[in-house]
Amino acid sequence: NAGVTQTPKFQVLKTGQSMTLQCAQDMNHEYMSWYRQDPGMGLRLIHYSVGAGITDQGEVPNGYNVSRSTTEDFPLRLLSAAPSQTSVYFCASSRTAPATEAFFGQGTRLTVV
Amino acid sequence: GQQVMQIPQYQHVQEGEDFTTYCNSSTTLSNIQWYKQRPGGHPVFLIQLVKSGEVKKQKRLTFQFGEAKKNSSLHITATQTTDVGTYFCAAEYGNKLGFGAGTILRVKS
Repeated sequence: NAGVTQTPKFQVLKTGQSMTLQCAQDMNHEYMSWYRQDPGMGLRLIHYSVGAGITDQGEVPNGYNVSRSTTEDFPLRLLSAAPSQTSVYFCASSRTAPATEAFFGQGTRLTVV
Repeated sequence: GQQVMQIPQYQHVQEGEDFTTYCNSSTTLSNIQWYKQRPGGHPVFLIQLVKSGEVKKQKRLTFQFGEAKKNSSLHITATQTTDVGTYFCAAEYGNKLGFGAGTILRVKS
């Protein structure tokens, strides 16, 4: 199994551009989430989904949109990129609710100039 | 904000020394998870603790969950260079998994 696959691995955007970070899992997990990681701040939850068709906000949702049309895919959209969104983004999935082991993708390193 | 506070932020040890990181919460936790992230890598699940006072071991790693389920610790005995990385605790609140800020471990050989 591939587990959790994120694309792209690296991306440079100009301020104001939009883009979608892709995340797909092949483990039939119900729960998926997006985190951003900044130095000294750990992993901060952006959005999460408890199942197909259901999404909700995490700690830092502003500037990001998500959708969950299938169990496998959970894309993260940056609507109008800002330098403050420069970060490493991780997608994660777990079998059910978050109280089970989370499997992380390899991450996307995003730079907004 | 973060539901769990983790200390220390950073620790640099000599190879062979022990290492401990602590995770604290102001509220009672239903469970706690620990993850390791190697430099340049992604977080990898280590263990989950559920019961009050629980102690689990994985080779040189010992994990504890406090009696009141408000704190946890990860202890590494006789660190090796392969232990370098950032160690995170994570706790569930509502439908969310919140992570501590992590402890960065560096090991001098």
